[in-house]
Amino acid sequence: KAGVTQTPRYLIKTRGQQVTLSCSPISGHRSVSWYQQTPGQGLQFLFEYFSETQRNKGNFPGRFSGRQFSNSRSEMNVSTLELGDSALYLCASSLGGSDEQFFGPGTRLTVL
Amino acid sequence: KQEVTQIPAALSVPEGENLVLNCSFTDSAIYNLQWFRQDPGKGLTSLLLIQSSQREQTSGRLNASLDKSSGRSTLYIAASQPGDSATYLCAVSPSTGYSTLTFGKGTMLLVSP
Repeated sequence: KAGVTQTPRYLIKTRGQQVTLSCSPISGHRSVSWYQQTPGQGLQFLFEYFSETQRNKGNFPGRFSGRQFSNSRSEMNVSTLELGDSALYLCASSLGGSDEQFFGPGTRLTVL
Repeated sequence: KQEVTQIPAALSVPEGENLVLNCSFTDSAIYNLQWFRQDPGKGLTSLLLIQSSQREQTSGRLNASLDKSSGRSTLYIAASQPGDSATYLCAVSPSTGYSTLTFGKGTMLLVSP
C-alpha cells in the first residue's frame, strides 16, 4: 500500500512569489492535514481537510490557504512569500476523525 | 490551549541501554496520543498510537504508556540500538475528533555503538 506522497520535495523561491505544494494521501484516507516545521517553532498545525471541506484551521495568516479535491488529494498555497516561510511542510492523512495519522516525506521550502 | 512538553530535549546513551522518554500535556481532554520518530530532514514515522481509553501499547522493543488524568505519557525503548538514533515526537489530538495534532518539541536521541 503506497504511503503519503508530497511534491515537490524541494523548492527555492524568492520573497513575494507564491508557491503551491501537493499531497496525495493513502488510498481510502479522506482526511488530510498540513503542518509547518521550523527549528524554532517545531511542528505547527496549518489546516485540515475532510471530504473537500476545511474542517479546522491553525493560527496562520490568510496568505496560507489550501484545498482538497474529490479524490482526497490536497494542495496548499502560500502567497506573497516571506523569508520566515522557509520550512519543512508536512502533510498527513488519516481515515478521518482522530484516527492514526501517517505523514509524507515533506516539502522543503527555501525563501530567498 | 493545549501544550505538550517533552523531557529530556536530548539524550545520549550507549548501545544496549533501556531508556524512557517523557511527554506531558496540559489539557487531559484528548482523543488519542501518538508517538513518532523523525530522522534528520525526513518526514514522521508513526510508532505507536494510544487511544484515550487505553493505558499502554507495545510494538516490538517499544512500549508507550498513557496516564490521561495526570497528562503524562512515556515511551520506553528496550535494548537500544544505533539505528534508534532519531528525534522522537509525541502528539495529542483533541477530544473534538478533529485530526489536529499538537506536538511537543521532541527528544533527540543518540545511541552510540
